[in-house]
Amino acid sequence: GQSLEQPSEVTAVEGAIVQINCTYQTSGFYGLSWYQQHDGGAPTFLSYNALDGLEETGRFSSFLSRSDSYGYLLLQELQMKDSASYFCALNPGSARQLTFGSGTQLTVLP
Amino acid sequence: ETGVTQTPRHLVMGMTNKKSLKCEQHLGHNAMYWYKQSAKKPLELMFVYNFKEQTENNSVPSRFSPECPNSSHLFLHLHTLQPEDSALYLCASSQDSWGSNEKLFFGSGTQLSVL
Repeated sequence: GQSLEQPSEVTAVEGAIVQINCTYQTSGFYGLSWYQQHDGGAPTFLSYNALDGLEETGRFSSFLSRSDSYGYLLLQELQMKDSASYFCALNPGSARQLTFGSGTQLTVLP
Repeated sequence: ETGVTQTPRHLVMGMTNKKSLKCEQHLGHNAMYWYKQSAKKPLELMFVYNFKEQTENNSVPSRFSPECPNSSHLFLHLHTLQPEDSALYLCASSQDSWGSNEKLFFGSGTQLSVL
């Protein structure tokens, strides 16, 4: 099976940088996705790492290290609107479906 | 706006009621999904449809009955639910369910309360 672990809560101040970690256990997978969900809203896709290394999309970057069974989402120049839950999800491939982590609630303080 | 619309947004039902959740996607995708989201727990996959055919039923109790009349519409029929079924039910779509399923497009969900 597969399992993912994320911190349940992270707090940071506006303008800061925050890293949300995701560790996983799996026998094999295609890649790691990240999703953002605001309260009462739809989860929205942020990024996907199929290969090791850093993927940058504006203020958000995502990193994957298969050798360390670890990934993270990096949010820079934090804004109040970044307060949301962030989920990592493993893509096991072979036509199997995503396995999600429990999510990290990010609170951005003024 | 994600291109996936779910109705109703909120639903309160008794354990003996029958209700249906509706999902519609305007993205031209071929795969649609039902997920259950409970507080502090991972999203739980319920059903997967690919080109209108059910490809996955994740051991969901029969009181939940999905229906996919075409690639754009997905329903979840509910009957004789239990209070522990109270949760946010999310619909999602993707280009297909085997090679492009790392990027899902979700609706805002139906918040279901079973009394």
